[in-house]
Amino acid sequence: DSGVTQTPKHLITATGQRVTLRCSPRSGDLSVYWYQQSLDQGLQFLIQYYNGEERAKGNILERFSAQQFPDLHSELNLSSLELGDSALYFCASSAQGGGYTFGSGTRLTVV
Amino acid sequence: AQSVTQLGSHVSVSEGALVLLRCNYSSSVPPYLFWYVQYPNQGLQLLLKYTSAATLVKGINGFEAEFKKSETSFHLTKPSAHMSDAAEYFCAVSGGRGYQKVTFGIGTKLQVIP
Repeated sequence: DSGVTQTPKHLITATGQRVTLRCSPRSGDLSVYWYQQSLDQGLQFLIQYYNGEERAKGNILERFSAQQFPDLHSELNLSSLELGDSALYFCASSAQGGGYTFGSGTRLTVV
Repeated sequence: AQSVTQLGSHVSVSEGALVLLRCNYSSSVPPYLFWYVQYPNQGLQLLLKYTSAATLVKGINGFEAEFKKSETSFHLTKPSAHMSDAAEYFCAVSGGRGYQKVTFGIGTKLQVIP
């Protein structure tokens, strides 16, 4: 157990739907990062939050949004889902300069 | 901006042979460098990290990596491959101190042949 908890582990949904992925960071880590991993794109950085505020944005689609709550857990919202959104979504948390600790991911399948 | 290039998306070695996974980086500031391993259906696990201290970094499972500034490289090695080393390995770079975004390479799948 890495200390970073992601739920759910698996999600199957239809095109056009909306889903929410949840991440609880490791205790004491203030920063949360979301990544998308797909076969053709590799690991793509989506967005970073630090202590409740957006810190950096990567290749995140407008249909996707995220937030970090006062208790530091984070949610990634994916809407108007398309087949191409099927991927593994990872959350990671970090302490300063120490590298990431990853959760085990949410596998999203859009059918 | 930072980037990493991993040479070879697939590497095969015999059990007991040397493992060498290549990574070159580009960074506009002194980098922090990382190697992660991903086993099937799992998240990424940190193998080792370079954070501007010793240039030879030892990690878990017998892996080590050497930071070579002149070559902008951070290759991962292990003297003797084990079947359990079969996995995907990611080199990554960040801009150093603070809560910096980490940029990953495309990954190298290591196959260990018995």
